[in-house]
Amino acid sequence: AQKITQTQPGMFVQEKEAVTLDCTYDTSDQSYGLFWYKQPSSGEMIFLIYQGSYDEQNATEGRYSLNFQKARKSANLVISASQLGDSAMYFCARNFNKFYFGSGTKLNVKP
Amino acid sequence: EAGVAQSPRYKIIEKRQSVAFWCNPISGHATLYWYQQILGQGPKLLIQFQNNGVVDDSQLPKDRFSAERLKGVDSTLKIQPAKLEDSAVYLCASSFGISEKLFFGSGTQLSVL
Repeated sequence: AQKITQTQPGMFVQEKEAVTLDCTYDTSDQSYGLFWYKQPSSGEMIFLIYQGSYDEQNATEGRYSLNFQKARKSANLVISASQLGDSAMYFCARNFNKFYFGSGTKLNVKP
Repeated sequence: EAGVAQSPRYKIIEKRQSVAFWCNPISGHATLYWYQQILGQGPKLLIQFQNNGVVDDSQLPKDRFSAERLKGVDSTLKIQPAKLEDSAVYLCASSFGISEKLFFGSGTQLSVL
């Protein structure tokens, strides 16, 4: 089975500090996409960032960046300068024909 | 641009009853997904459509769940009969094509009593 693993059920970070959320995946495909979504307590799923397996540079979107290590099959999300509004569930997902999600990491930002 | 529309927003039923959810994807999006999200877990793919054809329904409990996407646009997901363990949020998502990012609806929260 091609799985997505998020090993951190919950994390705390101090406001204004950086935090890394881990994601590893299992795939035999050569071409695939990796995504991160944020789900606040309201329940909506918000797209954050995308990394293609053939992209040579790590993706960045504002305060979000993706630390992509293809050989290790990891795609960690880095949030810089955490804000209180970053408190939410974060899901890593992999897509190649089918779109699978990990179990998520609950991030709490402390003031 | 209108987003993915889902209805109803909430639904409470008793076990063994039937229920249906509706989803209208973003205009032009060929791929439509139904996910089940149990509280505290990640979304679980139930079924994926490409236009009006099924790409993957390997995790759909076919003895009680059914889904259709007539004319390749909107879709309905039905549960009959419902069980207690079906209590979850049912998320619909769409994308322009396979391997594109997903746009999600607001979900339907189902409680089975």
